[in-house]
Amino acid sequence: QSVLTQPPSVSGAPGQRVTISCAGSSSNIGAGYDVHWYQQLPGTSPKLLIYGNSNRPSGVPDRFSGSKSGTAASLAITGLLGEDEADYYCQSYDSSLSGVFGGGTKLTVL
Amino acid sequence: QVQLAESGGGVVQPGRSLRLSCEGSGFTLSSHAMHWVRQAPGKGLEWVAVISNDGTDNYNSEVVKGRFTISRDTSKNMVHLQMDSLRAEDTAVYYCARDHGYFDCFDVWGQGTMVTVFS
Repeated sequence: QSVLTQPPSVSGAPGQRVTISCAGSSSNIGAGYDVHWYQQLPGTSPKLLIYGNSNRPSGVPDRFSGSKSGTAASLAITGLLGEDEADYYCQSYDSSLSGVFGGGTKLTVL
Repeated sequence: QVQLAESGGGVVQPGRSLRLSCEGSGFTLSSHAMHWVRQAPGKGLEWVAVISNDGTDNYNSEVVKGRFTISRDTSKNMVHLQMDSLRAEDTAVYYCARDHGYFDCFDVWGQGTMVTVFS
């Protein structure tokens, strides 16, 4: 059971927009800790996708965006491409000084 | 090019020990806090441990507390994870990850090393 809650799967057709939610609590996201997102393509290591709730590292397309409100956060992907098919994880910190992850969401591009 | 490379994984019996290593290149490891994150087969990511940039502070997840110890060798630009009293549920790919430094996220990841605890 992960500390942060994500939907197990989402799907969308090419060109569409999808969102992935990440629900936390008052001891992590709600305590003011930032939310970050990672993309893990099949058979590869995770890659930082969004940091500090809404910032994109260099090289990440602006089709990816993040937001945070209260005890939750979300990742939005617009203009879906086949190459976006991957697992997506949210991550934050807990007041016990532990890193915490969501259970991951598998994105399928139909 | 900034890279991390893990080593030391393998197959080990329950109750035995294993030591993982992570070597950094293209940057100075001692400038960053460093983490270990693991992923059991077919499962999600799980944070394991962190060590501060100067090695004076470290924290473990409750699941591994008292069994795993994170350390660093500044002279060799390396971080280690000593894993004792291994259990079947510790079976996972173990990733070394660099702390961003300003934001509490992991901006560089290694390729991972597989640990299998099997009797």
